[in-house]
Amino acid sequence: DIQMTQSPSTLSASVGDRVTITCRASQSVATWLAWYQQKPGKAPKVLIYKASILESGVPSRFSGSGSGTEFTLTISSLQPDDFATYFCQHYSTFPYTFGQGTKLEIK
Amino acid sequence: EVQLVDSGGGLVQPGGSLRLSCAASGFPVSDNYMSWVRQAPRKGLEWVSLMFGGGNTYYTDSVKGRFTVSRDTSSNILYLQMNSLRVEDTAVYYCARVRHGAGIDYWGQGTPVTVSS
Repeated sequence: DIQMTQSPSTLSASVGDRVTITCRASQSVATWLAWYQQKPGKAPKVLIYKASILESGVPSRFSGSGSGTEFTLTISSLQPDDFATYFCQHYSTFPYTFGQGTKLEIK
Repeated sequence: EVQLVDSGGGLVQPGGSLRLSCAASGFPVSDNYMSWVRQAPRKGLEWVSLMFGGGNTYYTDSVKGRFTVSRDTSSNILYLQMNSLRVEDTAVYYCARVRHGAGIDYWGQGTPVTVSS
């Protein structure tokens, strides 16, 4: 199975900050990678797919980059609604594993 | 409008069985890739199964031989039959639609399963 490792596990930031979350795959997944946002008690919501394509309706302050084994999710200017947990997930080969998550907290 | 509604979760003893349902609307489950994903309490997400439009299904190793995915195309419902349940199967189970080459675009609201004596 391909292992996905996110860093950091927790990130403290303030409204207006630029933040970056990293996701590393144990082997190449090309650009078959998605990013999701999850709030407590809710299902995840897709933000980015195919490593860098912004899902329709997602604010442009979210962006994704990378290929192969290293990927990043960047939020250019944090808004109050962005404090949540973020997961990466590959869909290169089954099982489509998720990263362990990054909790974005208010500083 | 695309919608997925999960149901069927509950409390079950170890070794017991449960069947989850995912009622889909706005698209045919038979023409899409459909998955079950679970999330143990205060844990991350785990992909459980992936059913292709043709019916072939992949299962993660920890549930192989115990869980079975099926679908009712007339009712447009996806099922997850869970047998020989273990304490470690305790989680919220989400049904999800998978876009080919683009990951999950729609999720159900989740249904909680607790395996405990």
